[in-house]
Amino acid sequence: EAQVTQNPRYLITVTGKKLTVTCSQNMNHEYMSWYRQDPGLGLRQIYYSMNVEVTDKGDVPEGYKVSRKEKRNFPLILESPSPNQTSLYFCASSLFGRGYGYTFGSGTRLTVV
Amino acid sequence: GQQVMQIPQYQHVQEGEDFTTYCNSSTTLSNIQWYKQRPGGHPVFLIQLVKSGEVKKQKRLTFQFGEAKKNSSLHITATQTTDVGTYFCAGPASNTGKLIFGQGTTLQVKP
Repeated sequence: EAQVTQNPRYLITVTGKKLTVTCSQNMNHEYMSWYRQDPGLGLRQIYYSMNVEVTDKGDVPEGYKVSRKEKRNFPLILESPSPNQTSLYFCASSLFGRGYGYTFGSGTRLTVV
Repeated sequence: GQQVMQIPQYQHVQEGEDFTTYCNSSTTLSNIQWYKQRPGGHPVFLIQLVKSGEVKKQKRLTFQFGEAKKNSSLHITATQTTDVGTYFCAGPASNTGKLIFGQGTTLQVKP
């Protein structure tokens, strides 16, 4: 089944403790992206990648890192999480520019205390 | 920077009534996409519009792209409880790989 898999689905962590949210897609998509969703603010793009080893900042990249060493994986790294990074995170992938839209993962609800 | 705005933010309708959400971009878009997110779920791609003035239909849903390619609308005819959710429009930022989402319109349908 074609899908984007995120892990974990839920995570509670403490301020400053490094964490990684994994994202993997099995559709051979070139384009992958991370979004965070907060009430009233919609979906805001954190980082995106147009292919392996090519990443770029979205609109809210501060406090996040990403890497794209393989086409299928695009992990999101929070080196020193803070409470304002408490949010719902979505990974998405796409055949960029080919009109298919994004396929989203099921989301990761992160709470930083 | 480039912005994509959606109105209204919330809409409550009686089942069977029509519903429309509007999307406006601060810049001309090469295309616009629409997504639906059910409560507790993830956004699901509905459609992409590319041409100026384009109109596409999916059963009771009608999507329109403005002549100037700066606005779009989604109209649902005779809403059903299965239409409940948040509808997002999204447009690519010029000369980048970014896809900018509107804030979404949350639709509640009373049976």
